[in-house]
Amino acid sequence: QKEVEQDPGPLSVPEGAIVSLNCTYSNSAFQYFMWYRQYSRKGPELLMYTYSSGNKEDGRFTAQVDKSSKYISLFIRDSQPSDSATYLCAMTQTGANNLFFGTGTRLTVIP
Amino acid sequence: GAVVSQHPSWVICKSGTSVKIECRSLDFQATTMFWYRQFPKQSLMLMATSNEGSKATYEQGVEKDKFLINHASLTLSTLTVTSAHPEDSSFYICSARRSGGLYEQFFGPGTRLTVL
Repeated sequence: QKEVEQDPGPLSVPEGAIVSLNCTYSNSAFQYFMWYRQYSRKGPELLMYTYSSGNKEDGRFTAQVDKSSKYISLFIRDSQPSDSATYLCAMTQTGANNLFFGTGTRLTVIP
Repeated sequence: GAVVSQHPSWVICKSGTSVKIECRSLDFQATTMFWYRQFPKQSLMLMATSNEGSKATYEQGVEKDKFLINHASLTLSTLTVTSAHPEDSSFYICSARRSGGLYEQFFGPGTRLTVL
């Protein structure tokens, strides 16, 4: 079993829709959670960073962490064609050097 | 803030030659830098972790004599692909963690290597 599971998609939604992206994980020691956006042929860009459980909002993006279920989500409101990209979740634990990545979900927002 | 650059952005070389890729943190100091490899439509594969002033730690299956990493300063790490072969063609991405920061990594734009 992989440490981090993420549905690869692809996911297509119409412009303006609410998008929900999710990851599950198996290591209960994970406490630091990140979401990255990667456009084709570019490096990943950090979107959201959260610690432990709870919600964090930044503009149209909301990150949720449910440690009891080992489940994290990224919501995108009022999705735009420019949101079309691959979204990677990543996480780690205290003292670790590496990040553990999901495989990424390809999102297409259709105008 | 937290900008990471990579150079070159793409390179084409002949089989048997060596290629050096630079990774720089432009506006912060990075005690730890990471090198990843990414194949089309796949996720990131960590190759090695480099700490300033010490030897890099390579992931299992990554040949340290083929992929030479030097982290000479708090803002610069280099990856040299020695005696490159067509199977080394890939997208190479570096990332950096801020000194005194938490666990987030900031990624460079990537370098596309094509070995003929």
